[in-house]
Amino acid sequence: ELKVEQNPLFLSMQEGKNYTIYCNYSTTSDRLYWYRQDPGKSLESLFVLLSNGAVKQEGRLMASLDTKARLSTLHITAAVHDLSATYFCAVDSNYQLIWGAGTKLIIKP
Amino acid sequence: DAGVTQSPTHLIKTRGQQVTLRCSPKSGHDTVSWYQQALGQGPQFIFQYYEEEERQRGNFPDRFSGHQFPNYSSELNVNALLLGDSALYLCASSPLGTASYEQYFGPGTRLTVT
Repeated sequence: ELKVEQNPLFLSMQEGKNYTIYCNYSTTSDRLYWYRQDPGKSLESLFVLLSNGAVKQEGRLMASLDTKARLSTLHITAAVHDLSATYFCAVDSNYQLIWGAGTKLIIKP
Repeated sequence: DAGVTQSPTHLIKTRGQQVTLRCSPKSGHDTVSWYQQALGQGPQFIFQYYEEEERQRGNFPDRFSGHQFPNYSSELNVNALLLGDSALYLCASSPLGTASYEQYFGPGTRLTVT
């Protein structure tokens, strides 16, 4: 059974700081996704990572995938308040997405 | 281009009742997946429909059933509602045949069972 673990589950940080969210998964998969969810809202796709070594960047967010280590990271550079949200990673397993528990990120001005 | 739409937005039901939730996929998408998200948790996969057939199913009881129509829209039915069924129900659509199988989510239906 595929399991996906995120850490940390909660992160409070100051604006301007850098930090990384980690996503580990237990069995082989070639597709990993990062989503953002604001309180009471739906899920917004951030990144789709399809191969080993894939790296994608959008603004202050950068995601990478190491399929051999079964690890993905979401790096936040010079955080701003607008990035406060819950971030989920999800791994594809035979057409269904298996989700991590989410990382609640609070960025204080 | 309309994205994924869901109805209703909110719903309050009593234990033992039945509920039907509806989803229209994004234009050009033919695959619909349903997820249950309890408060403070990650989504849990319920099932996926493609070509009007249930292609994949998660660990949910038979009380949860679905349907996909020829226009690719979908319904999720839950019978004999339990208090634990209270959650945000999310529908996602994806275009089969693309490498990413990226799923686009609708706004969700918030179901409260009392």
